Amino acid sequence: DARVTQTPRHKVTEMGQEVTMRCQPILGHNTVFWYRQTMMQGLELLAYFRNRAPLDDSGMPKDRFSAEMPDATLATLKIQPSEPRDSAVYFCASGLVPLGPDTQYFGPGTRLTVL
Amino acid sequence: AQSVTQLDSQVPVFEEAPVELRCNYSSSVSVYLFWYVQYPNQGLQLLLKYLSGSTLVESINGFEAEFNKSQTSFHLRKPSVHISDTAEYFCAVSDAGFQKLVFGTGTRLLVSP
Repeated sequence: DARVTQTPRHKVTEMGQEVTMRCQPILGHNTVFWYRQTMMQGLELLAYFRNRAPLDDSGMPKDRFSAEMPDATLATLKIQPSEPRDSAVYFCASGLVPLGPDTQYFGPGTRLTVL
Repeated sequence: AQSVTQLDSQVPVFEEAPVELRCNYSSSVSVYLFWYVQYPNQGLQLLLKYLSGSTLVESINGFEAEFNKSQTSFHLRKPSVHISDTAEYFCAVSDAGFQKLVFGTGTRLLVSP
């Protein structure tokens, strides 16, 4: 049963600390998305990659957030320095294009709390 | 630019009653439409999708949605809900190039006995 995995599932940290979240997309998928979910803003797309190349990161605060795909099996989202307003659930999703429009498969999320 | 509007933030309903969750979209190009469901403390899961062909699409657990191009709507319906349907439901749209999904703000469905 192929699925997207995310680590850690929960993270509590103090303001100013660096946070790194990891995502393992489904094997063979070539597109990876990072979303942030909060009560106030709902589900926001932060960035997405195709074949490991960033296609759009316009939803991401550039000064403190960075997203990378070191290889096809790992995507990372880093916040440095973290702030309380970054507290949210961060989801990774993967998909396979351009075979056609297809489903995005979501991971279970990383719940981040910045104190 | 595409956008999705889910007017109802919360829909309370009794078990075995019918339900409709509304979704309207805005786009200047051909679109693909999706409904995702999020159960508590979980990620989103695809419920159903419209890509082409029949405007009525169904899920395996009894939900259906109808693509209405003239009204730019993709409402989700179920004739009889169960307690286990309690979740948050997100409508989403993507363009024909499937570059990315734009999600609505979600509708929380609360099913009570």
